[in-house]
Amino acid sequence: LAKTTQPISMDSYEGQEVNITCSHNNIATNDYITWYQQFPSQGPRFIIQGYKTKVTNEVASLFIPADRKSSTLSLPRVSLSDTAVYYCLVEEDSSYKLIFGSGTRLLVRP
Amino acid sequence: DTGVSQDPRHKITKRGQNVTFRCDPISEHNRLYWYRQTLGQGPEFLTYFQNEAQLEKSRLLSDRFSAERPKGSFSTLEIQRTEQGDSAMYLCASSLGVTNEQFFGPGTRLTVL
Repeated sequence: LAKTTQPISMDSYEGQEVNITCSHNNIATNDYITWYQQFPSQGPRFIIQGYKTKVTNEVASLFIPADRKSSTLSLPRVSLSDTAVYYCLVEEDSSYKLIFGSGTRLLVRP
Repeated sequence: DTGVSQDPRHKITKRGQNVTFRCDPISEHNRLYWYRQTLGQGPEFLTYFQNEAQLEKSRLLSDRFSAERPKGSFSTLEIQRTEQGDSAMYLCASSLGVTNEQFFGPGTRLTVL
């Protein structure tokens, strides 16, 4: 069974870079690793997705090593509005089951 | 608003009753997912449809749970003989193609008394 592990919480200050790592094993070898953001009482919202190496979009970067056993979400220059829970999402190997990480609660302080 | 709608937004029921939730995905999306989320936890995968075919079901989806997606459009999730442990937020998401960029609805919060 696929299993993911994330830090439970992280604290940061406005303007800092935040890196959140998710460890995942037994994931599908040819599927994407995806990260979501969730605010209270809302559904998760897509942030970024990658297969390997590095992906960057307008809000974040995603680093995936060659063995794909982990991934790191990088949020540059966080603001107060980035306070949320962040989840990695992977697909279990040999099935269509999608596994969300346990989530990392990020608190950005002024 | 992501374009995915769920109805109802809230449901309070008594233990033993049946409940049905509806999800309307983004119209061109061929994939539809149901998740359950309890307080402080990440979403737990329940089931996945590609068009009208249900391709995967979690073991969490016991005999009391059933999901359908007739004609590959909207989907329903039914819970029979509800139990207090079924109290949770039920999330629906849809996506297009082979990526996991899912668009989530606002969820249906179920409270079983």
